[in-house]
Amino acid sequence: DGGITQSPKYLFRKEGQNVTLSCEQNLNHDAMYWYRQDPGQGLRLIYYSQIVNDFQKGDIAEGYSVSREKKESFPLTVTSAQKNPTAFYLCASSIGAGTGTEAFFGQGTRLTVV
Amino acid sequence: ILNVEQSPQSLHVQEGDSTNFTCSFPSSNFYALHWYRWETAKSPEALFVMTLNGDEKKKGRISATLNTKEGYSYLYIKGSQPEDSATYLCAALYGGSQGNLIFGKGTKLSVKP
Repeated sequence: DGGITQSPKYLFRKEGQNVTLSCEQNLNHDAMYWYRQDPGQGLRLIYYSQIVNDFQKGDIAEGYSVSREKKESFPLTVTSAQKNPTAFYLCASSIGAGTGTEAFFGQGTRLTVV
Repeated sequence: ILNVEQSPQSLHVQEGDSTNFTCSFPSSNFYALHWYRWETAKSPEALFVMTLNGDEKKKGRISATLNTKEGYSYLYIKGSQPEDSATYLCAALYGGSQGNLIFGKGTKLSVKP
């Protein structure tokens, strides 16, 4: 089955620690995205990647880092510099960024900082 | 800052009722409008992607229209069923944005049997 997989579903982190969220897709999509959702807010773009070895900052990139070493994988690291990391994180992919084609989403990771 | 607005924020209807929601977006440099359905504990799923002014798309009992000149889109559900209960998201894509979909906050629909 083709799809996009995020892991883990729930993640707890101690304040001051970095943590990496996994996102893998087997849809052969060029573009991948990370969104964050907070209560009462729409999805906000953290980072996106149009092609392997390239990525761009979204609206709220501060305190986050990404890599795109393989087409299938786009991990997101939430660093200790992110002031309010507790949120729901969604990964998505599409055939190509800016093409207007639909995005396919993972099931999300809920990160809680304790 | 581009802002996509959805209304209402939430909606409660009876099974069999028809309903509609609104998505408003800045029309300048607009490229595409997406609608997604997001059921609890699942991933958002695309319903429609529309680009042309006057576009009208339909999938079963759900349809959507697009007005790019005035910057709005309507999503219609005919004869709502309990399985239609979900949050409906719209997102706008702008020329030159390189893939940055701007999402609204969503409309949460609850359909009572």
